[in-house]
Amino acid sequence: NAGVTQTPKFRILKIGQSMTLQCTQDMNHNYMYWYRQDPGMGLKLIYYSVGAGITDKGEVPNGYNVSRSTTEDFPLRLELAAPSQTSVYFCASSYSPGADGYTFGSGTRLTVV
Amino acid sequence: ILNVEQSPQSLHVQEGDSTNFTCSFPSSNFYALHWYRWETAKSPEALFVMTLNGDEKKKGRISATLNTKEGYSYLYIKGSQPEDSATYLCASFTGGGNKLTFGTGTQLKVEL
Repeated sequence: NAGVTQTPKFRILKIGQSMTLQCTQDMNHNYMYWYRQDPGMGLKLIYYSVGAGITDKGEVPNGYNVSRSTTEDFPLRLELAAPSQTSVYFCASSYSPGADGYTFGSGTRLTVV
Repeated sequence: ILNVEQSPQSLHVQEGDSTNFTCSFPSSNFYALHWYRWETAKSPEALFVMTLNGDEKKKGRISATLNTKEGYSYLYIKGSQPEDSATYLCASFTGGGNKLTFGTGTQLKVEL
């Protein structure tokens, strides 16, 4: 049981480049989330999904896009990368956030130069 | 309380000390309170999910209590060890919502 798998683990992007952060879970969780963690700060929600075909914005969605075509996958797309998007990105999933904890991926450390 | 607030922001204790942290959350429309342990350079791991007023949960030397009427939860660590050093996050889940609201965490450092 792999849990939540994030790729890549590290990436350096140049300003203006685009990339997709991959997130896959094998627990049949409907709820999936993308967070960013900035130095010295807590977790900020970027986007989330409550099931295939359904996505919604979190606190800091600007500069990002998501899609949820399957239950397993929830990729995060960065368009026109900016230095302000330098952060550690975490994907998480849950069967039922009212009863079960989130399972987090191992994170992607992104630097935009 | 409109947001999830945690105190203290950071804490240094000696090995063997017992310690506790506080999480305050909106009591209206409350559904569940989560605690997570987050070690440096790793990802958060769920410790407890609590839903009922008066709930107490325990895992080894770590325990938590919940007061939904006044909107607070305490996390206790008995006999702190260096491996307990981490940031402890709490998060609130409200009825009708789809996501947790996280606090900013309490950073614990246990020194020898």
